[in-house]
Amino acid sequence: QVQLVQSGAEVRTPGSSVKVSCRASGDTFSSYAINWVRQAPGQGLEWMGGIIPMSRITNYAQKFRGRVTTTADESTNTAYMELSNLRSEDTAVYYCARGKSGYPMRGYFYAMDLWGQGTTVTVSS
Amino acid sequence: DIVLTQSPESLAVSLGERATINCKSSQNILYSSNYKNYLAWYQHKPGQPPKLLFYWASTRESGVPDRFSGSGSGTDFTLTISSLQPEDVALYYCHQYYTTPPTFGQGTRVEVK
Repeated sequence: QVQLVQSGAEVRTPGSSVKVSCRASGDTFSSYAINWVRQAPGQGLEWMGGIIPMSRITNYAQKFRGRVTTTADESTNTAYMELSNLRSEDTAVYYCARGKSGYPMRGYFYAMDLWGQGTTVTVSS
Repeated sequence: DIVLTQSPESLAVSLGERATINCKSSQNILYSSNYKNYLAWYQHKPGQPPKLLFYWASTRESGVPDRFSGSGSGTDFTLTISSLQPEDVALYYCHQYYTTPPTFGQGTRVEVK
């Protein structure tokens, strides 16, 4: 059974960086897109960015550009999301999620059918 | 970016009754080349990752009970639970993937009255 397994909870200080991993077990993800979505306490779901490993395409929400980087290692079926210059407002649960891609046609990042368990990132001094 | 506005923000429904959630897009998300609406619905329970319910607005994901239905086209979409069950208590989100970046609605909380 295919699963996305994320790395464990992290605690960081303001100004530092965090890197969350997401490993696909039971399947390869190279033919899919990997999205990163977060939920801050009391807030809704927020798409941060994504990567299409096969096409080496990345895209980020404007809010996070310059601070977020998504990468993928197809040899280990692992995707990564690194967020830098952390602030307290980045305290959230971060999810990776797999979806198909319409690239290069309309809709690079389609509906997300498989999600990781979530990684809690706490930013506190 | 496309803005999705869900209504209501929360609703309380008696068990066995119908729950209806609306999602309005700030622009058309029906692609004329394939006649598909680029909209999905998710169910999100505390402590769990979101679960995909529908994609292409009305295509039910495998394993989703048929009391759930998705409908709509263009800019107006609806998620309906025909007979609310206790396990349906959750937050529900619509999500458009017509443009990049994809965006979510703000969520609708469904509770038992």
